[in-house]
Amino acid sequence: AQKVTQAQTEISVVEKEDVTLDCVYETRDTTYYLFWYKQPPSGELVFLIRRNSFDEQNEISGRYSWNFQKSTSSFNFTITASQVVDSAVYFCALSEAPENAGNMLTFGGGTRLMVKP
Amino acid sequence: TAGITQAPTSQILAAGRSMTLRCTQDMRHNAMYWYRQDLGLGLRLIHYSNTAGTTGKGEVPDGYSVSRANTDDFPLTLASAVPSQTSVYFCASSKVHYNEQFFGPGTRLTVL
Repeated sequence: AQKVTQAQTEISVVEKEDVTLDCVYETRDTTYYLFWYKQPPSGELVFLIRRNSFDEQNEISGRYSWNFQKSTSSFNFTITASQVVDSAVYFCALSEAPENAGNMLTFGGGTRLMVKP
Repeated sequence: TAGITQAPTSQILAAGRSMTLRCTQDMRHNAMYWYRQDLGLGLRLIHYSNTAGTTGKGEVPDGYSVSRANTDDFPLTLASAVPSQTSVYFCASSKVHYNEQFFGPGTRLTVL
């Protein structure tokens, strides 16, 4: 069975600090996909990134970067120079190969990030 | 603007009553999903549909039913609501072979 663990339930930083959100996953499949979603206070879920299990290249998008390490089953998310608008709950999620379980996403419990001015 | 709409935005329901949460997408996605979000538990899959005419059970299907008569609509029905079904319900969709799921704005349901 697949499982996603986000050990940090809440993180509080001061604006302009860098912050890393941890995500550890478990799966028996060799083909799987990892995701990050953002849920701002307004409540909607915003897709941030998808990585497949064969692509371990780190990715950077503006102030966001992602570090995927299969050896430690981790897919960590770093925000550089955080801003108040980054305050949200961030979810890591895992999906096994498309032909299994109807593309079911298994979510971690989420990390609430509070960025103070 | 293309996307997913859900109705109603929120609802208070008496226990034992039935209710259907509506979800419509205009992205021509094949797959659709219903999740519930409870505090501290993240999102859990209730039911899914890979394509029109087919449905499947997710992690927490008991007390819920779905139908997928066409590509765009995926209603979720609570036949006899119970207080433990108080939650925020999210509908999502994706192309079958591309796993990004896009979410609707959610329906906040309170069962008293």
